[in-house]
Amino acid sequence: ELKVEQNPLFLSMQEGKNYTIYCNYSTTSDRLYWYRQDPGKSLESLFVLLSNGAVKQEGRLMASLDTKARLSTLHITAAVHDLSATYFCAVETNFGNEKLTFGTGTRLTIIP
Amino acid sequence: DGGITQSPKYLFRKEGQNVTLSCEQNLNHDAMYWYRQDPGQGLRLIYYSQIVNDFQKGDIAEGYSVSREKKESFPLTVTSAQKNPTAFYLCASGVLGDNEQFFGPGTRLTVL
Repeated sequence: ELKVEQNPLFLSMQEGKNYTIYCNYSTTSDRLYWYRQDPGKSLESLFVLLSNGAVKQEGRLMASLDTKARLSTLHITAAVHDLSATYFCAVETNFGNEKLTFGTGTRLTIIP
Repeated sequence: DGGITQSPKYLFRKEGQNVTLSCEQNLNHDAMYWYRQDPGQGLRLIYYSQIVNDFQKGDIAEGYSVSREKKESFPLTVTSAQKNPTAFYLCASGVLGDNEQFFGPGTRLTVL
């Protein structure tokens, strides 16, 4: 059974600081997805990582994937308040059944 | 406008009642999914469908039923057998072989 773990679960950061959210998964997978969820809202797709060594950047967020280590990171640079949200990683199970397994989420709060 | 719609946005159910949540997409996606999210938790897969008239159980299918009579529509029925149905329900769709999933706005179900 595929397990996806994120840490930290909760993160408070000051504006302007840098930090990294980690996503570990337990079995082989070549595809990983990052989503953002604002309180009471749906999920918004942020990044799609499709191969080992993939790196994607959008604004102050950068995501990377190391399939050998079964690890993805979401790095936040010079945080701003608008980045406050819950971030989920999701891993595709390599069994041909088109399913994603989601991590538990990291609730990020940016403090002015 | 292309997208995924869910209705209603809020739904209240008395104990012992069945209720049906609507999910429609006009993205021409083959795959559709239903997830449940409890407060402070990640997403758990209820059912998914890759083709019309076929669907598969996810991790927490007990107490739920679905149908897929049309490509655009994937309604979820929460039956009286579901003992703790109060949650946020999210519908998603995607292209087969791609696995990036796009989410609807969600339905918040409360049992009175």
